[in-house]
Amino acid sequence: DTGVSQDPRHKITKRGQNVTFRCDPISEHNRLYWYRQTLGQGPEFLTYFQNEAQLEKSRLLSDRFSAERPKGSFSTLEIQRTEQGDSAMYLCASSTGTSGLTQFFGPGTRLTVL
Amino acid sequence: KNEVEQSPQNLTAQEGEFITINCSYSVGISALHWLQQHPGGGIVSLFMLSSGKKKHGRLIATINIQEKHSSLHITASHPRDSAVYICAPHSGGSNYKLTFGKGTLLTVNP
Repeated sequence: DTGVSQDPRHKITKRGQNVTFRCDPISEHNRLYWYRQTLGQGPEFLTYFQNEAQLEKSRLLSDRFSAERPKGSFSTLEIQRTEQGDSAMYLCASSTGTSGLTQFFGPGTRLTVL
Repeated sequence: KNEVEQSPQNLTAQEGEFITINCSYSVGISALHWLQQHPGGGIVSLFMLSSGKKKHGRLIATINIQEKHSSLHITASHPRDSAVYICAPHSGGSNYKLTFGKGTLLTVNP
């Protein structure tokens, strides 16, 4: 257990539905990252927060994706009008300046879009 | 060309063998991570290094910044080392986001 939790661990949904995932980072970590991993591939960067500010978004993050980190604590990632291509593992990681650059990963949320 | 290339993609070893996984990258970096991912998804950071060599138990990681190459070695491999090992450099900047290789699937047979 790295101290980063994600909920739910698994989500099955039908195409066109909206889904929301939550990430709770280690409490003192000010940096939070979302990554996406498809089968057989390494993770890919989606977005980055420093405290409550979303400072970078990948081109992978289409208009159907939105992420928030209110109050700089937990974060949510919402996907609207899901498509089969959204099926993947969504990983959250957190870090802080005092931990150096080491990122601590959550267990991930596996999304299956039918 | 991918920014991060790992080799081999798959590796099968017998218990006790010495394992080497290689990582080459094309971007300038400030540090590089080696990560371990077990079936089911959980990722654990093994090393972060920006120069030289680090050792933790049976694991050794080396990096040559000039040659843009890093290696992960496992001595006296054990079946519990079976996992995907991922190389992930980050290019610096203020966000420290990681760019990941595809990973090396290691299977250690008893």
